[in-house]
Amino acid sequence: GAVVSQHPSRVICKSGTSVKIECRSLDFQATTMFWYRQFPKQSLMLMATSNEGSKATYEQGVEKDKFLINHASLTLSTLTVTSAHPEDSSFYICSASPAGGNEQFFGPGTRLTVL
Amino acid sequence: QKEVEQDPGPLSVPEGAIVSLNCTYSNSAFQYFMWYRQYSRKGPELLMYTYSSGNKEDGRFTAQVDKSSKYISLFIRDSQPSDSATYLCAMSVMREKLTFGTGTRLTIIP
Repeated sequence: GAVVSQHPSRVICKSGTSVKIECRSLDFQATTMFWYRQFPKQSLMLMATSNEGSKATYEQGVEKDKFLINHASLTLSTLTVTSAHPEDSSFYICSASPAGGNEQFFGPGTRLTVL
Repeated sequence: QKEVEQDPGPLSVPEGAIVSLNCTYSNSAFQYFMWYRQYSRKGPELLMYTYSSGNKEDGRFTAQVDKSSKYISLFIRDSQPSDSATYLCAMSVMREKLTFGTGTRLTIIP
């Protein structure tokens, strides 16, 4: 149980384009999902907290207009990187917490490369 | 001072040895403590989850939390080459964002 999937696993795009990443909880309902970014050999940095049916809460320094988050249902959250630039190239990982639980279960991550 | 301190390693031990991984923290409000294992280019996998102080054992893994010292540990017995990964400690106050350590890169030498 507690499986989280992400799609796509890898994406390469041109500078200026937008990229959408999906995060799904496969066998549980998640009222809260989290989006992280991880640079090589560094730890995870929380970007935003996403609650189903409400606006996401962004961490300091994260541009909400650039990183659009939609938590449309209890099993799906999406992160859209708008007008991506090479400095946005990173490993993006989502996590989900079961309703009433405290653990976070992570997806396999999406590697974004912006040319 | 970071909220959570973790030695990044790298740490190399021979197969079969006991591995000890540790984190210290400064926020006394933390009460949920987790250990994650992350293989290269993969998402973190939850290994152990502990609430407040005490010990928890799961197979070859034992997690210890000492809130009075603000110190948590993960022990791996009979280490295997497949245990080679980065181990991340994480903690939270309530059901909210996790604060991660930097991760310790572990290599088990056959």
